[in-house]
Amino acid sequence: KQEVTQIPAALSVPEGENLVLNCSFTDSAIYNLQWFRQDPGKGLTSLLLIQSSQREQTSGRLNASLDKSSGRSTLYIAASQPGDSATYLCAVLTQGGSEKLVFGKGTKLTVNP
Amino acid sequence: EAQVTQNPRYLITVTGKKLTVTCSQNMNHEYMSWYRQDPGLGLRQIYYSMNVEVTDKGDVPEGYKVSRKEKRNFPLILESPSPNQTSLYFCASSLYYRRSSYNEQFFGPGTRLTVL
Repeated sequence: KQEVTQIPAALSVPEGENLVLNCSFTDSAIYNLQWFRQDPGKGLTSLLLIQSSQREQTSGRLNASLDKSSGRSTLYIAASQPGDSATYLCAVLTQGGSEKLVFGKGTKLTVNP
Repeated sequence: EAQVTQNPRYLITVTGKKLTVTCSQNMNHEYMSWYRQDPGLGLRQIYYSMNVEVTDKGDVPEGYKVSRKEKRNFPLILESPSPNQTSLYFCASSLYYRRSSYNEQFFGPGTRLTVL
């Protein structure tokens, strides 16, 4: 059974700092990995999707990497801003079984002005 | 605008009163699913549908029903809601490109349900 873990559960940084969020998964047989952002009480916004054959994806100040063999992904946020404050979730689409995403519990990020 | 919509966004009801949460997508996606999000438990899949008239249980289907009569709509039905179904519910859809690595899932804005 696929399990996804995100460390740390919460992170507080000063504005302008570069930071890394971590995601690990137990079963490397995945189709892809998605990073989402969730603002309090709101829906999930897809940030980046990394296909299983890819090593990284970039969008603006965000860079996500994937090491499928070791079951790890990182989300790098450059020059953090207060508007980046949110909960970041990673989810993997696992091969076999139902078509579902298995989510981590998220990292709550606070960027202080 | 390509999107997944859900209604209502907020709902307070009482135990046993049947309710339906609607979900609609305008992207011609084959795959749709429902998740619930609870503190400490994260997001868990309730039901999913691979196409019209094809539905199956996810991880936590008890107390829920779904139907998929049209490609764009996937309503979630609670026949007799109970307080343990108080949660934040999300509908999602994806192209379902044969379970490929291109399959990106898009989520609706969520429905916050409180059952008293």
